[in-house]
Amino acid sequence: DTGVSQDPRHKITKRGQNVTFRCDPISEHNRLYWYRQTLGQGPEFLTYFQNEAQLEKSRLLSDRFSAERPKGSFSTLEIQRTEQGDSAMYLCASSLMDRVDNYGYTFGSGTRLTVV
Amino acid sequence: GQQVMQIPQYQHVQEGEDFTTYCNSSTTLSNIQWYKQRPGGHPVFLIQLVKSGEVKKQKRLTFQFGEAKKNSSLHITATQTTDVGTYFCAGYSGYSTLTFGKGTMLLVSP
Repeated sequence: DTGVSQDPRHKITKRGQNVTFRCDPISEHNRLYWYRQTLGQGPEFLTYFQNEAQLEKSRLLSDRFSAERPKGSFSTLEIQRTEQGDSAMYLCASSLMDRVDNYGYTFGSGTRLTVV
Repeated sequence: GQQVMQIPQYQHVQEGEDFTTYCNSSTTLSNIQWYKQRPGGHPVFLIQLVKSGEVKKQKRLTFQFGEAKKNSSLHITATQTTDVGTYFCAGYSGYSTLTFGKGTMLLVSP
């Protein structure tokens, strides 16, 4: 297992275009998270999945954002009608959770989005 | 909502000096995690603290969880240039996901 993979690493798009990012988590992990990070800030939570179910969405996630995790494997994050304020690093993470113990998140290398 | 604050935002030390970063939460935390992000990299999990007053060590790094479970600290003894990066604390307070602080950026000069 090579860890959490994200694709693409970089994306430059024109304002108003749609973009889609992919995340392949660690296969044994049952939770998958999307975070957004801008310069000088910590990761901000966007949404997470347990298996294929999307269990929580941040209020930061506008209607232009949608995430899916078909069959509980890889996940995609789509941003429609991109705006310059969407420029950020989009981080995917996965973890193994149960009721009793929490484990650290394993982050991918991220997709850096630049909206011009 | 839950807020996690870290101080200082930035610290520049000479190699060999000690370093401490502090984390404070607006709510009581069920546990707290620490991550390190190297320049140009992604956050990497360091450790988790669960019990009130818990202290854990990893070589030159000492992590502490406050008695009230609302604050935590990370202390690095005798910093090395390999310690350069941003250190984030992140906590759970009954929500299902981690809330991260803004991090403390550490620069170490040789």
